[in-house]
Amino acid sequence: ETGVTQTPRHLVMGMTNKKSLKCEQHLGHNAMYWYKQSAKKPLELMFVYNFKEQTENNSVPSRFSPECPNSSHLFLHLHTLQPEDSALYLCASSQVGREATQYFGPGTRLLVL
Amino acid sequence: TQLLEQSPQFLSIQEGENLTVYCNSSSVFSSLQWYRQEPGEGPVLLVTVVTGGEVKKLKRLTFQFGDARKDSSLHITAAQPGDTGLYLCAGAYGSARQLTFGSGTQLTVLP
Repeated sequence: ETGVTQTPRHLVMGMTNKKSLKCEQHLGHNAMYWYKQSAKKPLELMFVYNFKEQTENNSVPSRFSPECPNSSHLFLHLHTLQPEDSALYLCASSQVGREATQYFGPGTRLLVL
Repeated sequence: TQLLEQSPQFLSIQEGENLTVYCNSSSVFSSLQWYRQEPGEGPVLLVTVVTGGEVKKLKRLTFQFGDARKDSSLHITAAQPGDTGLYLCAGAYGSARQLTFGSGTQLTVLP
């Protein structure tokens, strides 16, 4: 296993379902991020975890609930989503420091019906 | 809020041509990254530039960070169809070194 992995790669869910996205990083980093990428919009930062502590929540609706049990794993729990939540959800990790380079996973393509 | 404006938004060129993509802001960044993203995949890091005026080369790609660390450019020489993709710039700011992303440049290189 290398880099940043995400599962599932594709997810279709109804508005009443509950699902979770999983991210795992194998780079020894101490920060992890969730981003949302919608068509024709810049990447939107959703959540930031530094050393397992949430340090940023960019006004994300409560139907998105992150969880970071340790520095290698990050989850995004989804419930009662809306069709406009359909997007590519990207996880990234970094080693907090001067360069701030983030490494991304392949993403989960989410479709809410 | 730090904003990054990327231009052009779309670019379609013939194989062998040169091109430049620009990333501009009124904010100062501690570093700037360039990524390339394929459809349905996550962005893949191309380069990180840290010092004002820095120039980095990656084969046919040349990256420059502005002297004031507010802007950057990506120049591709003799573009190839394999260069097709979405190019994203991202500037790091704040003590937590968070990233703000440009809206991307969709490049298509025609054979």
